[in-house]
Amino acid sequence: FDLTQPPSVSVSPGQTASIRCSGQNLGNKYVSWYQQKPGQSPVLLIYQDNRRPSGIPARFSGSNSGNTATLTISETQAMDEADYSCQAWDGSGASLGGASFGGGTRLTVL
Amino acid sequence: QVQLQESGPGLVKPSETLSLTCDVSTVSSISYYWSWIRKPPGKGLEWIGYIYYSGTTKYNPSLTGRVTISEDTSRKRFSLHLSSMTVADSATYFCARGTTSGGIIAPYFDYWGPGILVTVSS
Repeated sequence: FDLTQPPSVSVSPGQTASIRCSGQNLGNKYVSWYQQKPGQSPVLLIYQDNRRPSGIPARFSGSNSGNTATLTISETQAMDEADYSCQAWDGSGASLGGASFGGGTRLTVL
Repeated sequence: QVQLQESGPGLVKPSETLSLTCDVSTVSSISYYWSWIRKPPGKGLEWIGYIYYSGTTKYNPSLTGRVTISEDTSRKRFSLHLSSMTVADSATYFCARGTTSGGIIAPYFDYWGPGILVTVSS
């Protein structure tokens, strides 16, 4: 299934950035978010829609409802400039299918 | 802290089979979905497939027939084989651990290898 993200989002330092991920009935699936900086491997930011792994700042939060999941970054810092990707699975449990990633959003902190 | 490390050729000729290995620092548990994911230059991440308990595998439908993921009996290494490589398969290939929690079987990728750049060229 397809997950759609805007190619780019811009934000001023200290402001709040919102990155959206849309897909059919996405609210019925669990969404994860990843941050990737150039030359590095992706880092898990959010899992199960709104849970943060240990070590991820509380500035990062997630929500998921209807056809849209949203990653929110508050008090955005220059170090947050990176590519952000959403991810979800087709099915779950015994019916777990394949994983899909969004096309990625480049966050620019101006 | 779990560590993953990919290894294999950085250059593959068209029509050949790519073979990559991922070494895991801890013994594989039945609870994890050991996965391969790739990122073509200028494009987004693409899930390739996973191997789970008892050798259960699941692959991206777009690659079915070309891809095989297997696990070493030591359960500290798993491999990717992708046949009939074309230029479109040029990408950075990552191995990653898919984890579940809270009884929710929708894995999230919490540990990744550094990635290996694979170029398909004659």
